[in-house]
Amino acid sequence: TQLLEQSPQFLSIQEGENLTVYCNSSSVFSSLQWYRQEPGEGPVLLVTVVTGGEVKKLKRLTFQFGDARKDSSLHITAAQPGDTGLYLCAGGGGGSNYKLTFGKGTLLTVNP
Amino acid sequence: DTAVSQTPKYLVTQMGNDKSIKCEQNLGHDTMYWYKQDSKKFLKIMFSYNNKELIINETVPNRFSPKSPDKAHLNLHINSLELGDSAVYFCASSRLRAGDGGYTFGSGTRLTVV
Repeated sequence: TQLLEQSPQFLSIQEGENLTVYCNSSSVFSSLQWYRQEPGEGPVLLVTVVTGGEVKKLKRLTFQFGDARKDSSLHITAAQPGDTGLYLCAGGGGGSNYKLTFGKGTLLTVNP
Repeated sequence: DTAVSQTPKYLVTQMGNDKSIKCEQNLGHDTMYWYKQDSKKFLKIMFSYNNKELIINETVPNRFSPKSPDKAHLNLHINSLELGDSAVYFCASSRLRAGDGGYTFGSGTRLTVV
């Protein structure tokens, strides 16, 4: 069974601070995705990384896939209240395995 | 137009009842999924269909039965509802491979069994 551990589970910071969320596994994934979920809504895809060592940037968000494709990180620069939400990482097994395995999420609160 | 739409948004029902949740996607995706999100926000896959064929069936009580009349629709029927079935159920869709473009989720159905 593939498991993804996310840390921290909860994070409360002030507007303008930087933060990093981690997603770790002992399994290798063919791809890793990050989603953000807001209350009462479904998760929304932020990014997909597929190559070991890959770095992708989305405005103030930087995503990195570990060289061995077992871990990933999400770094937010100068966090804003609009970044508040549940951040979920999800690993794909590749091939004919359509299933995504989700981490338990990091609940981020950015206070004004 | 909503890409993945689920109905109803909220469902409150008594133990022992039978209920259905409907899901439709207009993205032309080949694969659809049902996920259950528990009170701790953990998302766990239940079922997946690819072009009307069941391809993933996790360890789920057989009171839960998915049905896919066509590749744009995936419904979930639950018999003899129990208190522990209370959760938010999400429908999602993707192109052939989950790594190719990711999932598009519906907004969820909050099921409360009383």
